[in-house]
Amino acid sequence: GIQVEQSPPDLILQEGANSTLRCNFSDSVNNLQWFHQNPWGQLINLFYIPSGTKQNGRLSATTVATERYSLLYISSSQTTDSGVYFCAVLILTGGGNKLTFGTGTQLKVEL
Amino acid sequence: NAGVTQTPKFQVLKTGQSMTLQCAQDMNHEYMSWYRQDPGMGLRLIHYSVGAGITDQGEVPNGYNVSRSTTEDFPLRLLSAAPSQTSVYFCASSYFGQHTEAFFGQGTRLTVV
Repeated sequence: GIQVEQSPPDLILQEGANSTLRCNFSDSVNNLQWFHQNPWGQLINLFYIPSGTKQNGRLSATTVATERYSLLYISSSQTTDSGVYFCAVLILTGGGNKLTFGTGTQLKVEL
Repeated sequence: NAGVTQTPKFQVLKTGQSMTLQCAQDMNHEYMSWYRQDPGMGLRLIHYSVGAGITDQGEVPNGYNVSRSTTEDFPLRLLSAAPSQTSVYFCASSYFGQHTEAFFGQGTRLTVV
């Protein structure tokens, strides 16, 4: 099956710093999403981004599907950005939409 | 504006007990699925459904049953709980197809002792 790798696995930032999280995938995909899992365990939708670039406030994402990677940019980080960031790729199978998750990037933003 | 609702949020079971995790969505999505999340891992697909009356297995289906009698509801049943099923369970829904965004419930933290 498809492999989804995220880097770095862990990241510690000072508040106000910028960061880039990477998601590599091993095969062509139909779609890609970025999620933030907050310290309470909730999965928050960040971006639905099969290709191109999107921005939402301090966050932006770019997916280059032909080169099989996606990037999540966090600018001017805040303590509320802490948590785990997952990318998930969508592959249409004969029976349904299968989301395959990466193992995540654990982010901690300190004062 | 409920989205995907899971109940309960927390549950402790004894080995061998049975229970049902509930999932409901109000977005009229055809596709619903269950995932489990274990420490240090991403989410893994347990079962999914492309519509009422249609279900299929994901990558880790053993020990779980599902049914889909309505578009809105997709319960997950543990018939005889085992400690290996201690995990956080997430339900998700989306429209069916490639140009679709999945939405997740708030999760159920299950402990089997």
